[in-house]
Amino acid sequence: GNSVTQMEGPVTLSEEAFLTINCTYTATGYPSLFWYVQYPGEGLQLLLKATKADDKGSNKGFEATYRKETTSFHLEKGSVQVSDSAVYFCALYQGAQKLVFGQGTRLTINP
Amino acid sequence: DAGVTQSPTHLIKTRGQHVTLRCSPISGHKSVSWYQQVLGQGPQFIFQYYEKEERGRGNFPDRFSARQFPNYSSELNVNALLLGDSALYLCASNQWTGENIQYFGAGTRLSVL
Repeated sequence: GNSVTQMEGPVTLSEEAFLTINCTYTATGYPSLFWYVQYPGEGLQLLLKATKADDKGSNKGFEATYRKETTSFHLEKGSVQVSDSAVYFCALYQGAQKLVFGQGTRLTINP
Repeated sequence: DAGVTQSPTHLIKTRGQHVTLRCSPISGHKSVSWYQQVLGQGPQFIFQYYEKEERGRGNFPDRFSARQFPNYSSELNVNALLLGDSALYLCASNQWTGENIQYFGAGTRLSVL
């Protein structure tokens, strides 16, 4: 079946550092790909998405490019802030309104 | 506009009991999905409802059931609770047509003792 694998956390960085969180997927066909963020005590918020190969999703300084050849959708940000501390989930859309999530990566940014 | 609202926020139950969780979708959204998020893991799909009909079901036992009402709100019911049912239960809504973006509520944290 379809699945998503994320780099294991936790990830700890200093403010203004460069961020990469790896995400690879296994799927039949051409799924849509998403990054969701979960702040402490809250539900999931959509961060960005891409619906076809070579699409780049971006939001709040975060970017991710849909790479079909490597089945990847890595999340990047050039300069992280303390407020970016959260858990990040990579997900794919499998149809029937069902999202398949990775296990999540906890990110902590130190001032 | 209000987002997806879930109630209660927290719940403590004992093994063998029954629990009902509630969800109100974003106004205009006709589809509701339920997910279980065990601590330290990603959400797992439980159910999806559209127009009061079940349209998808994840790999969960029959102790889990749900329904959707004419106003598109939804309930998730879990019978004969087990310790392993302790989790954050998330509800998501979307429009069904158009973009496949699901909007999540803050969740109900269920603790089974």
